[in-house]
Amino acid sequence: DGGITQSPKYLFRKEGQNVTLSCEQNLNHDAMYWYRQDPGQGLRLIYYSQIVNDFQKGDIAEGYSVSREKKESFPLTVTSAQKNPTAFYLCASSRGESGANVLTFGAGSRLTVL
Amino acid sequence: QKEVEQDPGPLSVPEGAIVSLNCTYSNSAFQYFMWYRQYSRKGPELLMYTYSSGNKEDGRFTAQVDKSSKYISLFIRDSQPSDSATYLCAMTRYEGKSTFGDGTTLTVKP
Repeated sequence: DGGITQSPKYLFRKEGQNVTLSCEQNLNHDAMYWYRQDPGQGLRLIYYSQIVNDFQKGDIAEGYSVSREKKESFPLTVTSAQKNPTAFYLCASSRGESGANVLTFGAGSRLTVL
Repeated sequence: QKEVEQDPGPLSVPEGAIVSLNCTYSNSAFQYFMWYRQYSRKGPELLMYTYSSGNKEDGRFTAQVDKSSKYISLFIRDSQPSDSATYLCAMTRYEGKSTFGDGTTLTVKP
C-alpha cells in the first residue's frame, strides 16, 4: 500500500543534541512537507520541498534543517538551536499541483526533550 | 490575527447527535476548503474538500462553504463513538499552500 512512513515514532533527546526524523513516501508525490503540532494548536509549517534538491522555509524554520536528495525522502533535523523542540512532528506529501493540493500525512513522530 | 479561526471546543455529544464544526477565515485568496480528521496520536487524514460556496455531502458528513461570509462548517449526522477525534479545517490558496485551524476535539459518548 502506498503511504508515508515516519520513524522513529517516539524519540527522547537530551538538551544540546541534534536529532533527525525520517520521512519516506512511496506515493510518487513531488512535494513533501514537515509540520509541527503542539497541544491545542493547529499545524505549523516548518519546511517544504516541491522538487528534489530544493526546499523552502515555512513559518517556523528556525532551529530546523532539511534535505531532499531523493524524491522519496525528506528527513528533518531538529538542532540544538531549537529552543522548545518537544512536540509532535508530522510529515506530509502531495502531488504539488496548484489548487486543492490535498496532503497525505504520516503517523507522526513525538519528540521529547529531557 | 490568525488567517483561520476554528471553534476551539472541546465538544462532547451523545451518540446520534448532529455535530456542527466551524471555521472562519479572513483571506479572500483562499480557494479550496478542506476538513481533516485526526485520531489521537495519529496523522490527519482528509475527510473532504470543496471549492465553491454551497454544500457537499459524503455519507453522514456535509461540508458547507459560505464565501461571502468567509465561513465554513462540517456537519456530522447520526454521530458515532468512532467519530471521536480532532477535526482540522484547512484552506489553500491557488498556489497550493495550506493554512490550518487549531482543531476541534470531538467526543461522542455511547
